[in-house]
Amino acid sequence: DQQVKQNSPSLSVQEGRISILNCDYTNSMFDYFLWYKKYPAEGPTFLISISSIKDKNEDGRFTVFLNKSAKHLSLHIVPSQPGDSAVYFCAASSMNTGFQKLVFGTGTRLLVSP
Amino acid sequence: NAGVTQTPKFRILKIGQSMTLQCTQDMNHNYMYWYRQDPGMGLKLIYYSVGAGITDKGEVPNGYNVSRSTTEDFPLRLELAAPSQTSVYFCASSYSRSGGSPLAKNIQYFGAGTRLSVL
Repeated sequence: DQQVKQNSPSLSVQEGRISILNCDYTNSMFDYFLWYKKYPAEGPTFLISISSIKDKNEDGRFTVFLNKSAKHLSLHIVPSQPGDSAVYFCAASSMNTGFQKLVFGTGTRLLVSP
Repeated sequence: NAGVTQTPKFRILKIGQSMTLQCTQDMNHNYMYWYRQDPGMGLKLIYYSVGAGITDKGEVPNGYNVSRSTTEDFPLRLELAAPSQTSVYFCASSYSRSGGSPLAKNIQYFGAGTRLSVL
């Protein structure tokens, strides 16, 4: 049962344009959502997060939007840069588990071309 | 600051061999985790620990064992390696203290991974 889904395995965008990465979840108990970025041969690194009490969180070029009714979140990168080319993982957690257990999506590979 | 360090980076095992993947963190985090990532898949939790001496199974624990004798170290043991254990293994840690920000508690810090092939 895939509780967190990233249905687009890859996305190609031109430098300067907006990149939109999508994530859907099925478990209504999730109350924290995170995006991780992963370069080849490196571990995932935290990018941005949002709690279920908010619908938007912004950090520089990165904005995460949460639509609880649709169980959908998205990551917007504006403007996209070649250095943003990486695999992006969406993750979700529920504080009801008592510890910070993250459920990960399968990732979306973003390629930003000059 | 080293963060989370994993060794080795690469390893090839023969079927039936055993090995230990090492993980150490210098951030004084009390929570530590082991994940595996198969091609085209997300990270799956193998085992986790909420502190020294306390470990528990995650989503895919079969074929693995862990121990947590210190806050810093969380080794993952593979006994009788099988081809199905060919994967990239990531260790992670996070900080949890009562009264802290829930968002901050959710952030896990990952090592660079160990790529394991079982042939």
